[in-house]
Amino acid sequence: EIVLTQSPATLSLSPGERATLSCWASQSIKSYLVWYQQKPGQPPRLLIHGASIRATGVPARFRGSGSGTDFTLTISSLEPEDFAVYYCQQRRDWPITFGQGTRLEIK
Amino acid sequence: EVKVVESGGGLVQTGGSLRLSCIGSGFNFNDYWMNWFRQTPGKGLEWEWVASIKEDASETYYVDSVKGRFTISRDNAQNLLFLQMNSLRVEDTALYYCARDRAGGRACDIWGQGTRVTVSS
Repeated sequence: EIVLTQSPATLSLSPGERATLSCWASQSIKSYLVWYQQKPGQPPRLLIHGASIRATGVPARFRGSGSGTDFTLTISSLEPEDFAVYYCQQRRDWPITFGQGTRLEIK
Repeated sequence: EVKVVESGGGLVQTGGSLRLSCIGSGFNFNDYWMNWFRQTPGKGLEWEWVASIKEDASETYYVDSVKGRFTISRDNAQNLLFLQMNSLRVEDTALYYCARDRAGGRACDIWGQGTRVTVSS
């Protein structure tokens, strides 16, 4: 099973600041890395697939990067609606696995 | 509108069974892989993939913890996805989500609102 580790667990920032979220895989997953955003009481929203491809309708301030085992989600300038929990997921192999999430909170 | 809607959750005792359903609308259901996931509030909102099924149901995959107990299936004529859950355990308690894989696969682009399953001892 491929284990995904996200860091940090919680990130406290202010609107307008830059957010950098990390996700590490226990073995190479090439570029089969997905990022989701989840807000309370809602299902996940697809942000990034293929490690760096923004999903339809996702603002350009969200950028995914990385390949192999190290991945990053960068939000260039935080908007109030960006404060949420972010999960990475690998789709390289079965079983599909998730990271434990990074909570992005308002400072 | 493209959407999926789950139903069938509820309260059941350990060892019992439930059948979850998910109906898709606004898209050609038989063109997409479909998946079941679950999220457990008691574990810090931890996510777990449960099962996936290919467009024509020729391939199915399960997380080890549900193999032999859960069965994923689909009825493409009715745009329905199912999860038959038998021999339920307390640790199966979660919010269960149906999700569509995007065209091209490898990510889920449409999610339902979830259906809650509670297994009591």
